[in-house]
Amino acid sequence: SQTIHQWPATLVQPVGSPLSLECTVEGTSNPNLYWYRQAAGRGLQLLFYSVGIGQISSEVPQNLSASRPQDRQFILSSKKLLLSDSGFYLCAWSRGTSEQYFGPGTRLTVT
Amino acid sequence: GQNIDQPTEMTATEGAIVQINCTYQTSGFNGLFWYQQHAGEAPTFLSYNVLDGLEEKGRFSSFLSRSKGYSYLLLKELQMKDSASYLCAVTYSGNTGKLIFGQGTTLQVKP
Repeated sequence: SQTIHQWPATLVQPVGSPLSLECTVEGTSNPNLYWYRQAAGRGLQLLFYSVGIGQISSEVPQNLSASRPQDRQFILSSKKLLLSDSGFYLCAWSRGTSEQYFGPGTRLTVT
Repeated sequence: GQNIDQPTEMTATEGAIVQINCTYQTSGFNGLFWYQQHAGEAPTFLSYNVLDGLEEKGRFSSFLSRSKGYSYLLLKELQMKDSASYLCAVTYSGNTGKLIFGQGTTLQVKP
């Protein structure tokens, strides 16, 4: 069976500090991978998606970036966090255009 | 645009039936997903509709009308644990599996 991991589960970071969130998928190969952000009381906003190693598409211009160094690894980064980067970050995977399965999420608070 | 519209909040009584509606723009429509999200947790997949009609899964059913740009999620025999947000999400042709999410409907089940 397939599982998706995210870490850390929670993170408190000061404004201007760097960020690295990691997501890994087990039990499948060549998945589509996605990063979403959910602000408090809001819907899910797609940030990045990837259909293969090194292939990243950005949905929203911002100070975040994503990388996919391995087939089942997806990393979300920032060089300098803003207060507005606070939120619940969710990684998801899918086989092509089928349903997406979400990881447990990382709750980020920028102070 | 590709606005996905759902009611913000709904309240229902334990044991009752509730219908959560979702409307979307039909141009380029590919498929529609429903997810359940409990507070502080990641969304979990409930259903996928691509053809017109009703898909039943236990107490949950999902309906789609492609021509009307309309879907609903029907929850029967409501239980307290069904209190959660219900997210409608749509994929469009050429979007490589990207999900466009509505803002979600927060359902409160009361005794």
